[in-house]
Amino acid sequence: DARVTQTPRHKVTEMGQEVTMRCQPILGHNTVFWYRQTMMQGLELLAYFRNRAPLDDSGMPKDRFSAEMPDATLATLKIQPSEPRDSAVYFCASGLELANYGYTFGSGTRLTVV
Amino acid sequence: GDSVTQMEGPVTLSEEAFLTINCTYTATGYPSLFWYVQYPGEGLQLLLKATKADDKGSNKGFEATYRKETTSFHLEKGSVQVSDSAVYFCALTMNSGYSTLTFGKGTMLLVSP
Repeated sequence: DARVTQTPRHKVTEMGQEVTMRCQPILGHNTVFWYRQTMMQGLELLAYFRNRAPLDDSGMPKDRFSAEMPDATLATLKIQPSEPRDSAVYFCASGLELANYGYTFGSGTRLTVV
Repeated sequence: GDSVTQMEGPVTLSEEAFLTINCTYTATGYPSLFWYVQYPGEGLQLLLKATKADDKGSNKGFEATYRKETTSFHLEKGSVQVSDSAVYFCALTMNSGYSTLTFGKGTMLLVSP
């Protein structure tokens, strides 16, 4: 089965450090999402790309978060500087433009900022 | 805006019991509806979907029917197993070229032997 691959699976970092999370979408998928999951807030949409162009990043704190797709096989989410409140599981999902096919999620990056 | 409301958990059942997890939605227009399942330590997996009113999605013994009149998409299973213990998310997306997935808060299901 085709998979969305996220790296790293776990990351522990100190407050103030830069964190980069990577996602390899399924080949041929032209839509990529980044979601953050916490117990308190549930699943929050951070960013949304179609054909590598950012369509919506309104859910992302602009001062410290950035999301990019340098090419069709790689999406990145960066946090600089990281803060303890950024501790969460970050999921990437990919799919096709017609949203009613559903999206495939990666296994997530569990980030802990101490 | 669009929203999804799920029953709060945890839902605790014995093996072979009947399962219902309620989901209702608010949307302008006619969305596609989904159930995703998240097992511990894993990402979300698409469980089933329905794209128009009266459609029934089914997979692995789970079913859900898209009810436009009650704006609902309740998840059911006739006989749960311990391996069904997970968090279940109801979600919607609008059938337009620019639409994201809107999730409910999730319902934890715990099945005991």
